[in-house]
Amino acid sequence: DTAVSQTPKYLVTQMGNDKSIKCEQNLGHDTMYWYKQDSKKFLKIMFSYNNKELIINETVPNRFSPKSPDKAHLNLHINSLELGDSAVYFCASTSGVKLFFGSGTQLSVL
Amino acid sequence: AQKITQTQPGMFVQEKEAVTLDCTYDTSDQSYGLFWYKQPSSGEMIFLIYQGSYDEQNATEGRYSLNFQKARKSANLVISASQLGDSAMYFCAMSNTNAGKSTFGDGTTLTVKP
Repeated sequence: DTAVSQTPKYLVTQMGNDKSIKCEQNLGHDTMYWYKQDSKKFLKIMFSYNNKELIINETVPNRFSPKSPDKAHLNLHINSLELGDSAVYFCASTSGVKLFFGSGTQLSVL
Repeated sequence: AQKITQTQPGMFVQEKEAVTLDCTYDTSDQSYGLFWYKQPSSGEMIFLIYQGSYDEQNATEGRYSLNFQKARKSANLVISASQLGDSAMYFCAMSNTNAGKSTFGDGTTLTVKP
């Protein structure tokens, strides 16, 4: 049973396209996140939702739009993809202390 | 603002020996949490250990222990009896009010030699 699952695992697309990454957690956590890990392995938080409400929105281009239909899901939609968006995107959730991460989505923009 | 510093980009250790991965942090918060995560080559992020700033005892989880020295603002990870499967990238992280807005260090790549 996967606790935090995100799809797809790999995403290869052309510049200018729009794409979505889906995330679901079955842990009953109220809070979910999107993190970006760049080619140098630096991890940075992008967004955080608590019970479907946006609570953290770091300096991220507005081409990135998270959507949380319910507290178990947090999807990430990216418009007009750019080369610099190539990275690994991690979804995560928590009930307080420990972050549980998804397995990551490797996005490659060509 | 919070900052995590991991000064060792890469470390080597002989199998069955212990190794210490360094982490120093900077924060103006009185209450915070410190974490270590492991990222193997397969890419997933695995939680290893947590230390609260008010915890008096160092955290331990199996072969992992966190050497917490509050006055020095350090939270080093000690792995005892290294195994080949410990070869991975290790991230130190901290958060203030919740685990989500965590600040991560740049990571240390650990290689365990047979």
